[in-house]
Amino acid sequence: NAGVMQNPRHLVRRRGQEARLRCSPMKGHSHVYWYRQLPEEGLKFMVYLQKENIIDESGMPKERFSAEFPKEGPSILRIQQVVRGDSAAYFCASSPTPTGGLFSGNTIYFGEGSWLTVV
Amino acid sequence: LAKTTQPISMDSYEGQEVNITCSHNNIATNDYITWYQQFPSQGPRFIIQGYKTKVTNEVASLFIPADRKSSTLSLPRVSLSDTAVYYCLVGDWDSSYKLIFGSGTRLLVRP
Repeated sequence: NAGVMQNPRHLVRRRGQEARLRCSPMKGHSHVYWYRQLPEEGLKFMVYLQKENIIDESGMPKERFSAEFPKEGPSILRIQQVVRGDSAAYFCASSPTPTGGLFSGNTIYFGEGSWLTVV
Repeated sequence: LAKTTQPISMDSYEGQEVNITCSHNNIATNDYITWYQQFPSQGPRFIIQGYKTKVTNEVASLFIPADRKSSTLSLPRVSLSDTAVYYCLVGDWDSSYKLIFGSGTRLLVRP
């Protein structure tokens, strides 16, 4: 897990503010995934990105949420106008392979998560 | 992606072997089976992955019967530090990728 770096680890925002969560994938990885975990629940897929491209955002709420993975720098998950229901742990994961990767015997690595609390 | 079913929780004692079984009746031909471990306030950690028969690494063993409709994660001689949630995932990576996490199995190891 140490290879995927997420920050901040903990973030407190008031309702209506914006939250920005950053993820630096493991060295050599060009594929990033964001997951959300509500208390006492499993992880839910949000979005899959490659450098400068969103590949699959089917798990992302249509409003207020956006993600990017620029050519340079970390991946950013942005939540605008946060509400209390956005309070959760947000996990980023990365992998080194393109399509056909993980379940062909490769591994996806998760970061330690960013805990968002909306007050 | 195939749906998985696992026990919600299990209890064990230090030094025992723990077997967690996962059902995946609709597993597809190209699907692999992957297990993750998650401690509180941490990200999931890859444990083991397999396609059929038996896979063993330094942490666990994974038993997959011929019909692949279930799999069993075996943790030898558990310790208190093995208390965690264990997730079984089944799937393939087609044109896009997503991991579907179920509720997992909460393993409690007692002294």
